[in-house]
Amino acid sequence: AQSVTQPDIHITVSEGASLELRCNYSYGATPYLFWYVQSPGQGLQLLLKYFSGDTLVQGNKGFEAEFKRSQSSFNLRKPSVHWSDAAEYFCAVHYNQGGKLIFGQGTELSVKP
Amino acid sequence: DVKVTQSSRYLVKRTGEKVFLECVQDMDHENMFWYRQDPGLGLRLIYFSYDVKMKEKGDIPEGYSVSREKKERFSLILESASTNQTSMYLCASRFPGSGANVLTFGAGSRLTVL
Repeated sequence: AQSVTQPDIHITVSEGASLELRCNYSYGATPYLFWYVQSPGQGLQLLLKYFSGDTLVQGNKGFEAEFKRSQSSFNLRKPSVHWSDAAEYFCAVHYNQGGKLIFGQGTELSVKP
Repeated sequence: DVKVTQSSRYLVKRTGEKVFLECVQDMDHENMFWYRQDPGLGLRLIYFSYDVKMKEKGDIPEGYSVSREKKERFSLILESASTNQTSMYLCASRFPGSGANVLTFGAGSRLTVL
């Protein structure tokens, strides 16, 4: 079955430190890949997406993600975290146009001053 | 910007009550979705609808039904609420155009069943 795994349920980083959130997907074919962010009390908002082409994708608020086919991964990174980045982050995939979006379990990010 | 509005942000219901969660989108999106969000489980798809009067079961449809009589409105119905349906419910919509299809989410409806 198709699945998405975010192995880290909760991560705490210091403000100004770098961040990497991990995401792995199970299916062999190259999927469409997404990262969404959910701030407290709000719905999910798209951070970035990957369809094809350049495997390093730039997103909102200084985030980037890299697709690595050999590792079935789509990790999210940010070089310097800001306190406002504290939120829950969801990786998601779908495998064909109009297909269902499958979400990972989410990673909650806390930022220490 | 597309807006997806979930009319009830917080609801408290009793076991056995019938519950309606309403979702309205304002950009003529054909596809609409209901997800349930629980800690440690991420988002799980309950039902989705490709167009008016169409519906498809998602991964966890048991105990739920849906209604899509108008394109802009997608309702989630709990026929007889149970405590294990206490959760955050998220509605989303998308336009099924070319490329990867981005979902636009509502703010969520947090349901507590006592």
